[in-house]
Amino acid sequence: RKEVEQDPGPFNVPEGATVAFNCTYSNSASQSFFWYRQDCRKEPKLLMSVYSSGNEDGRFTAQLNRASQYISLLIRDSKLSDSATYLCVASQTGANNLFFGTGTRLTVIP
Amino acid sequence: DGGITQSPKYLFRKEGQNVTLSCEQNLNHDAMYWYRQDPGQGLRLIYYSQIVNDFQKGDIAEGYSVSREKKESFPLTVTSAQKNPTAFYLCASRNGGRHNEQFFGPGTRLTVL
Repeated sequence: RKEVEQDPGPFNVPEGATVAFNCTYSNSASQSFFWYRQDCRKEPKLLMSVYSSGNEDGRFTAQLNRASQYISLLIRDSKLSDSATYLCVASQTGANNLFFGTGTRLTVIP
Repeated sequence: DGGITQSPKYLFRKEGQNVTLSCEQNLNHDAMYWYRQDPGQGLRLIYYSQIVNDFQKGDIAEGYSVSREKKESFPLTVTSAQKNPTAFYLCASRNGGRHNEQFFGPGTRLTVL
């Protein structure tokens, strides 16, 4: 079983829509969680860190459910510039390994 | 500008040749990492280094080697023993502390001809 699993999508949504991605992790010892954004043929860039039950940054909200071992990312009022692949990542605190999901592809349509 | 640089951006290699990918950071980060990314797969850890002159194998170290002679530099050599070297190689560094955010360089796309 993979450490982190994501729905690969693709998600095609109109501008202004709200879209949510879910991600599950298998290691209950995981304590640190992240969402990275990756544009085509570019490096991943940190979008949000999720340490407790969740956090919000503008149009982006990340939530963590430890009991069910899943993390979600909600994007409100989607912009064309939000089109990218979103990587879910889990890690044990202080550990060297990050475990990456395969990513969820989002395309925002005009 | 502070950041992580990788060179070259694109690299072509003939089968049987070793090739070295450069990774430099001026963020004063102690820990550095090498990942490879293949289509449809998540990033996989090749090697990591927590301090100078020390490094550890990751999940897919076979066919690769690294060195960490300076804090700023963590070069990766892809040897001829690596059976499927064509991939996107990403270097990252971490700023320490309790959490584990890693920051990535722009990557090197290696193609074996």
